[in-house]
Amino acid sequence: QSVLTQPPSASGTPGQRVTISCSGSRSNVGSNTVNWYQQVSGTAPKLLIYSSDKRPSGVPDRFSGSKSATSASLAISGLQSEDEADYYCSTWDNSLELVFGGGTKLTVL
Amino acid sequence: QLQLQESGPGLVKPSETLSLTCTVSGGSMNRSAYNWGWIRQPPGKGLEWIGSIYYSGSTYYNPSLKSRVSISGDTSKNQFSLKLNSVTAADTAVYYCVIGREYTYGASDYWGQGTLVTVSS
Repeated sequence: QSVLTQPPSASGTPGQRVTISCSGSRSNVGSNTVNWYQQVSGTAPKLLIYSSDKRPSGVPDRFSGSKSATSASLAISGLQSEDEADYYCSTWDNSLELVFGGGTKLTVL
Repeated sequence: QLQLQESGPGLVKPSETLSLTCTVSGGSMNRSAYNWGWIRQPPGKGLEWIGSIYYSGSTYYNPSLKSRVSISGDTSKNQFSLKLNSVTAADTAVYYCVIGREYTYGASDYWGQGTLVTVSS
């Protein structure tokens, strides 16, 4: 059981907008910023969003992040086939533990 | 652009110690790394943080692994290491070494390709 809760799956058609949620508690998401990682099958995860809403250089602006209270969201607009991957949220807990969500498998229909 | 490469045995016997090294190339850990550490992923499952060291020297470990794990770094060699004692089959996973920079507020923006470690007799 993961400390952060994500839906196990999400889907959308090309061009659509999809959001993935990440729910935590006051001691983690409620107190710290959230990072999002994308993991394409068979490859290492890649940082997609850091500090809740910032994109590293090279990440398309189709990807955006937000946070409110004890929940965070990743939005992908203009969905493309190459966005099919697993997505993980992560943050620090005030107990000084880095925690992850269980991951969301995104399918592009 | 940093590149990270994990190395170490792919098969470890139960009760023995898992030892992995991460070699950093393409830049200096001293200049580039805000933190470095290890994350693992059991086959078909999600990501699990093992531990992190910050440039300040502060070290943090997953509480569930803390009694068995040690992470150390040698910035002069651009390498850092993981030791996990008393392994069981539950420690079978792909192990990733990661680096976070100050630019990303410490979020892991550099990852090794991962190395599968199987615990079996």
